[in-house]
Amino acid sequence: DIVMTQSPDSLAVSLGERATINCKSSQSLLYSSSNKNYLAWYQQKAGQPPKLFISWASTRETGVPDRFSGSGSGTDFTLTISSLQAEDVAVYYCQQYYSNTRTFGQGTKVEIK
Amino acid sequence: EVQLVESGGGLVQPGGSLRLSCGVSGFTFSDHYIAWVRQAPGKGLDWVGLTRNKANGYTTEYAASVKGRFTISRDDSKNSVYLQMNSLETEDTAVYYCARSITAYPFDYWGQGTLVTVSS
Repeated sequence: DIVMTQSPDSLAVSLGERATINCKSSQSLLYSSSNKNYLAWYQQKAGQPPKLFISWASTRETGVPDRFSGSGSGTDFTLTISSLQAEDVAVYYCQQYYSNTRTFGQGTKVEIK
Repeated sequence: EVQLVESGGGLVQPGGSLRLSCGVSGFTFSDHYIAWVRQAPGKGLDWVGLTRNKANGYTTEYAASVKGRFTISRDDSKNSVYLQMNSLETEDTAVYYCARSITAYPFDYWGQGTLVTVSS
């Protein structure tokens, strides 16, 4: 199975400051024929199911604020919140959908400093 | 409106069995993959398995931790997917979510989850 490793496990950022979450996969998620990275990011708020935020490593879903951006390719990916807002407090997960077994990272908890 | 609704959770003893259901509406069921993802209390997301769509023969995949114990099936006439869980262990205690996908795409809609507690 592809192992997904996120860092850090948690971070506290001041309102308006940048938050950066990293995700590393144990093998490349870049599918050569399509030149797409099979990597998604989800946001999960307390007591709620996860919500798909970003697909293909960098494509925001409809309604996701543009302060959220995804980047990276191959095995190393990043989710950036450019200016943290109070409503962004949540746990963020990366997930690969490259293989038949669609594994998640362990999650990164984002809090306000 | 796309909806997925899980049911069937509850308390079961170690070694017991339970069947969860995921009823869906608001989209063409046979076109979509349906996955099960679980979340132990205070822990992260753990992919359990999925059933592919009609075009991909309704084939299934499972996480190593549940293979041989859990079985996913679907009934297109009832717009439902089922997760049959046998030989349950205390480590299977979690909220179980069902989620929708298509070929080579992440899970874009999720249910609210149903809690399974394995305890004596």
